Amino acid sequence: QSVLTQPPSASGTPGQRVTISCSGSSSNIGGNPVNWYQHLPGTAPKLLIYRNNERPSGVPDRFSGSKSGTSASLAISGLQSEDEADYYCAAWDDSLSGYIFGPGTKVTVL
Amino acid sequence: ELQLVESGGGLVQPGGSLRLSCAASGFTFNTYWMHWVRQAPGKGLEWVANIKEDGSVIYYVDSVKGRFSISRDNAKNSLYLQMNSLRVEDTAVYYCAKGGLAPGDSWGQGTLVTVSS
Repeated sequence: QSVLTQPPSASGTPGQRVTISCSGSSSNIGGNPVNWYQHLPGTAPKLLIYRNNERPSGVPDRFSGSKSGTSASLAISGLQSEDEADYYCAAWDDSLSGYIFGPGTKVTVL
Repeated sequence: ELQLVESGGGLVQPGGSLRLSCAASGFTFNTYWMHWVRQAPGKGLEWVANIKEDGSVIYYVDSVKGRFSISRDNAKNSLYLQMNSLRVEDTAVYYCAKGGLAPGDSWGQGTLVTVSS
């Protein structure tokens, strides 16, 4: 059972907006930055969003992140077929003294 | 070009040991935290351990404490993970990941560790 909670799946048609939630507690999301990763099976994971809402160079602005209290969310607007992947939220947990990933959300483009 | 290349994975029996290596290039290795992250078959990502730039601070996930040891050699631009007392549940693809913007702002391709009799 993960310390962070994410829905197991999300889906949308091309062009739609999809939002993925990530819920935690005061020891992780509530007190530390949230990061988001995209992972296609068989490839290296990719940092998508860091420090709650910042995009690394090269990440399209279709991807955006936000955080409020002990929850965070990732939004994908203008959904594209290449966005089909697993998405993970993550944050440092002060109580565990470790970095924790959410269980992941599989995004399907219908 | 930044590169992280893992090696050392393979098949090992329960209770055995394995040492993973990660060769880093294309960035100033000794100025970044480094991490090991794993993904078991059919499961999600799990952070395993990290180590500060100079090796003075180290953290582990509870499930590997006392069994795994992370280290680095800044002169060789290399990160290591010594894995002892391996268990079936340690079977996973192990990724080397660079810190910076966030843990894992760059990743290697991973090396597969299989623990089985």
